[in-house]
Amino acid sequence: NAGVTQTPKFRILKIGQSMTLQCAQDMNHNYMYWYRQDPGMGLKLIYYSVGAGITDKGEVPNGYNVSRSTTEDFPLRLELAAPSQTSVYFCASSSRASGGSTDTQYFGPGTRLTVL
Amino acid sequence: KQEVTQIPAALSVPEGENLVLNCSFTDSAIYNLQWFRQDPGKGLTSLLLIQSSQREQTSGRLNASLDKSSGRSTLYIAASQPGDSATYLCAVSNDYKLSFGAGTTVTVRA
Repeated sequence: NAGVTQTPKFRILKIGQSMTLQCAQDMNHNYMYWYRQDPGMGLKLIYYSVGAGITDKGEVPNGYNVSRSTTEDFPLRLELAAPSQTSVYFCASSSRASGGSTDTQYFGPGTRLTVL
Repeated sequence: KQEVTQIPAALSVPEGENLVLNCSFTDSAIYNLQWFRQDPGKGLTSLLLIQSSQREQTSGRLNASLDKSSGRSTLYIAASQPGDSATYLCAVSNDYKLSFGAGTTVTVRA
């Protein structure tokens, strides 16, 4: 099992450019998440998905879009990049646990994005 | 809105000392609480998950307690080693989502 994989590892964008961060998991997890982590801060949830075709906004969704056409993949799209989007982006996945919650979240290695 | 706080932000101890890391949260209606470890420039690794019905969870030298009514969790690491140096984050689950604290950065001096 590769677990959760993310590409690219690093990227530098110019203001106004767009890009897609890729995320894939091979654990057949229903739930997938995108977080951003700014220096000295905890992780903030951007978007999440509870299954293929179903996505919802998290705490900081502005400037981002997602899609979930398969169980395995959950790409994050940045449109019109801004310096405020400079951050480290993490993708995670988990299975459903009893009681309506989720089991342990498994994280990818992250994508370090700089917008200049 | 769930707020998660971790104090202290940083901690430095000599090798062999026990570590005590604190986490507090404002909304006690949680499903579970997780502790993660993050090494510099790396992703997060799950250490322990405590269900809301549990009081504690143990794995090797790690023990985590949960007092849901007071909104607190504590991670104990026994007999610390230099390899324990990392940032430790706690996160609480409300429905499908996790809310994270900012973490405690631990340095274990040899």
